Amino acid sequence: EAEVAQSPRYKITEKSQAVAFWCDPISGHATLYWYRQILGQGPELLVQFQDESVVDDSQLPKDRFSAERLKGVDSTLKIQPAELGDSAMYLCASSLPGQGNTEAFFGQGTRLTVV
Amino acid sequence: LAKTTQPISMDSYEGQEVNITCSHNNIATNDYITWYQQFPSQGPRFIIQGYKTKVTNEVASLFIPADRKSSTLSLPRVSLSDTAVYYCLVARRNNFNKFYFGSGTKLNVKP
Repeated sequence: EAEVAQSPRYKITEKSQAVAFWCDPISGHATLYWYRQILGQGPELLVQFQDESVVDDSQLPKDRFSAERLKGVDSTLKIQPAELGDSAMYLCASSLPGQGNTEAFFGQGTRLTVV
Repeated sequence: LAKTTQPISMDSYEGQEVNITCSHNNIATNDYITWYQQFPSQGPRFIIQGYKTKVTNEVASLFIPADRKSSTLSLPRVSLSDTAVYYCLVARRNNFNKFYFGSGTKLNVKP
């Protein structure tokens, strides 16, 4: 069964350092999402791509976060500089949008700890 | 998108049927109701979606009344492995599906 791949699974970084996460969606899925999930809370949408274009980044802290999906396939989410409050699970998801389909497939996530 | 409200937590016993109700008073015509399940340290997993009336799959049933202002996820004969967080989402069905998660319902299944 096809899966959304994310790496790394775990990342520990020091405050003020740069950190990057990678996501490879299911082949053919045009829509890609990045979510942040703080322990005990629901996932928060950071950015949504349709192919290589950003369609929603209203919740992305643009002063320190950036996301790209250059060829419309895999994607990278970067944080620079990292802050203690960025400690969370970062989840990537993809979907094949179409009439009547609201199913997104999530990866295992990257657990970020900022020290 | 419509905000959803669901109980913070629920307890149940193995073998029982569990019903989790979600309210979405401001749901729009183009919105679908979708439920996800999440285990600790894993990404959410799609369970079921519906627009109106009743939908059933191999895992759960989803009941949606005519006014669509609420929905109920029904899990038949739960087991310990159903202990998880369940999220109710209102998803706008178009070319750019948007999924906004609330706080979810923590279901604790006891032996």
